[in-house]
Amino acid sequence: QQPVQSPQAVILREGEDAVINCSSSKALYSVHWYRQKHGEAPVFLMILLKGGEQKGHEKISASFNEKKQQSSLYLTASQLSYSGTYFCGTEGREFGNEKLTFGTGTRLTIIP
Amino acid sequence: GAVVSQHPSWVICKSGTSVKIECRSLDFQATTMFWYRQFPKQSLMLMATSNEGSKATYEQGVEKDKFLINHASLTLSTLTVTSAHPEDSSFYICSARDYVGQGRGSPLHFGNGTRLTVT
Repeated sequence: QQPVQSPQAVILREGEDAVINCSSSKALYSVHWYRQKHGEAPVFLMILLKGGEQKGHEKISASFNEKKQQSSLYLTASQLSYSGTYFCGTEGREFGNEKLTFGTGTRLTIIP
Repeated sequence: GAVVSQHPSWVICKSGTSVKIECRSLDFQATTMFWYRQFPKQSLMLMATSNEGSKATYEQGVEKDKFLINHASLTLSTLTVTSAHPEDSSFYICSARDYVGQGRGSPLHFGNGTRLTVT
């Protein structure tokens, strides 16, 4: 089951904030966040492993609600370089399962 | 560190021919590599998990006889698209984890992808 992301797309002016949500129907071991520019490979942003964990990377941070099987990515004071498609990736709790299932994606466009 | 190299970056082939894509971990050993496929404006869909020295594990709906995966060494996995058809045209991306001291919960390192066009 592919995690569902919302919104599907968002357009921001430079300096505005955005929140991207990722929701899974399965119990999660971890949530990853990646950003992909057009025609390129995804770039790793961060991993969240524990329920309630929050992490930050410059002006990009994320939270993980293990009980709700949800994660959110927060982008503050967005920059033009933040444009791209954001994917969450989830690892399930099943023993021996190391694969990463990517979410539906959120296309972020930052305009000057 | 943790660089994954994928070759070729793009390939155009005629319908019915086979195409091989290589994925190498340059500065770490990868006992497991993952092959994804991405159609335009869609998410990355896992095709198979490549295990060094053993058979690959394919996701449901992926034809193992059409997408041959070989993981003969700790640094090289190959994906061969056999008898390619236009509907196989897509962006294929490999990825791997650096397992030294890590396992689940560690980031995936991606190759730059291969854009396959079948005419």
